[in-house]
Amino acid sequence: DAKTTQPNSMESNEEEPVHLPCNHSTISGTDYIHWYRQLPSQGPEYVIHGLTSNVNNRMASLAIAEDRKSSTLILHRATLRDAAVYYCILRDNYGQNFVFGPGTRLSVLP
Amino acid sequence: KAGVTQTPRYLIKTRGQQVTLSCSPISGHRSVSWYQQTPGQGLQFLFEYFSETQRNKGNFPGRFSGRQFSNSRSEMNVSTLELGDSALYLCASSYDRGTYGYTFGSGTRLTVV
Repeated sequence: DAKTTQPNSMESNEEEPVHLPCNHSTISGTDYIHWYRQLPSQGPEYVIHGLTSNVNNRMASLAIAEDRKSSTLILHRATLRDAAVYYCILRDNYGQNFVFGPGTRLSVLP
Repeated sequence: KAGVTQTPRYLIKTRGQQVTLSCSPISGHRSVSWYQQTPGQGLQFLFEYFSETQRNKGNFPGRFSGRQFSNSRSEMNVSTLELGDSALYLCASSYDRGTYGYTFGSGTRLTVV
């Protein structure tokens, strides 16, 4: 299974942008980069995913490096509700199961 | 539309007993995956079912089993419970085996005493 590396924890101030990095130097050409987050006492929640190009949705943006060996999840204005564990996961579209790492615990300070 | 529903939310069982957990996916979703989450091991994949067939299986002993019904509802069973099986069990559903993301339920908290 392709591996990802994320910082254990990060802090942000409310209403400021947050950049959550993920390194995946062994990514293969068919691996998509998925991001999920898990709020306290809830199951993980889909955030965004992409293959090569940068992606935007109502929750976040995903910036993918040109060599695809790293990516960054961008929350444009952090709110207290964004405090969660964020998981970066690689998965191809041929039915691999998701492999969750420890993720990054994001704290948002008021 | 209704989300992924897992029942029961909480369960306490005794060592040696067996337990069955239920997952109702989002209507129209054909894929159901199960995960175990513990503080020590994090989120670990158990198995995935798609159209009533097991497609993937994680590295868990044979005491852990599952099935999927024709209406896509899924159950997982753990026999001969051990203290270490205490965990949050999460179910996730997808229309197409996760290509466009999975929707997770809130989980069943199993405590083995």
